[in-house]
Amino acid sequence: EAGVTQFPSHSVIEKGQTVTLRCDPISGHDNLYWYRRVMGKEIKFLLHFVKESKQDESGMPNNRFLAERTGGTYSTLKVQPAELEDSGVYFCASSQVVFGKSGANVLTFGAGSRLTVL
Amino acid sequence: AQSVTQLDSHVSVSEGTPVLLRCNYSSSYSPSLFWYVQHPNKGLQLLLKYTSAATLVKGINGFEAEFKKSETSFHLTKPSAHMSDAAEYFCVVRLLSGGYNKLIFGAGTRLAVHP
Repeated sequence: EAGVTQFPSHSVIEKGQTVTLRCDPISGHDNLYWYRRVMGKEIKFLLHFVKESKQDESGMPNNRFLAERTGGTYSTLKVQPAELEDSGVYFCASSQVVFGKSGANVLTFGAGSRLTVL
Repeated sequence: AQSVTQLDSHVSVSEGTPVLLRCNYSSSYSPSLFWYVQHPNKGLQLLLKYTSAATLVKGINGFEAEFKKSETSFHLTKPSAHMSDAAEYFCVVRLLSGGYNKLIFGAGTRLAVHP
C-alpha cells in the first residue's frame, strides 16, 4: 500500500510569490488533514477534509491560505502571497474513518513539504 | 485545555544505553496520548498510543511508555538505544473540540545516539 505522498519535498520562493503544495492520501481514505510546523514551533492543525468538503478549517492562519480537494482525492494547499513567517514544514495526513471515531486513533502522515520563503 | 510539554528539546545517549524522553500532559478529561517519531526525510510514524486501556503501552522498535495519571506524565523509554533510533520524537494528545478530533503536538525531542 502506497503511503501519503507530498510534493514538492522542498520549495524555495521569494516573498510575495505563490506556492502550491500537493498531497495524495492513501487510496480510499476519505479523511485528509493538513498540519504545519513553523520554524521553532509545534506542529499545528490547519484543516480537515472529508472527501471534498472542508469539515474543520479552524487552524487556517489567514486568507492567504487556500486548501482544495476537488473530487475528494488529492488535495492542494496554496499560499498566495507567501510571507516570511509561512516558512516551515507542511504535513498532510489521511485516515479511512474520521480520526477519533470507533477507535480509529491513527493518522498516516506524509514526509512533509518544506517551504522556505526568502 | 489539552496540551503536552516535552521537557527536553535534545537528548543524547550512547548506543546500548537506556533512552528516556519525557512528556507531561494537561487534560480536562481522560486523554488519548501518542508518541510519533520522524526520521530524516520520512513521514511522522506512530510509535505507540494510550487510549485508557493498559497504562503500560508497548510500541514498535522496542519502545514503551507508561501513563501515570498522578504525575500527568507519559514518558517514552527504551532499554537499549540503537543507532537507528536517532530521530525527532513527538508526544501528542488528542483534543476533542467542537465535535472534531485534532492532534496537539509537543515541541519535539531530538534524540542523538552515539557509538
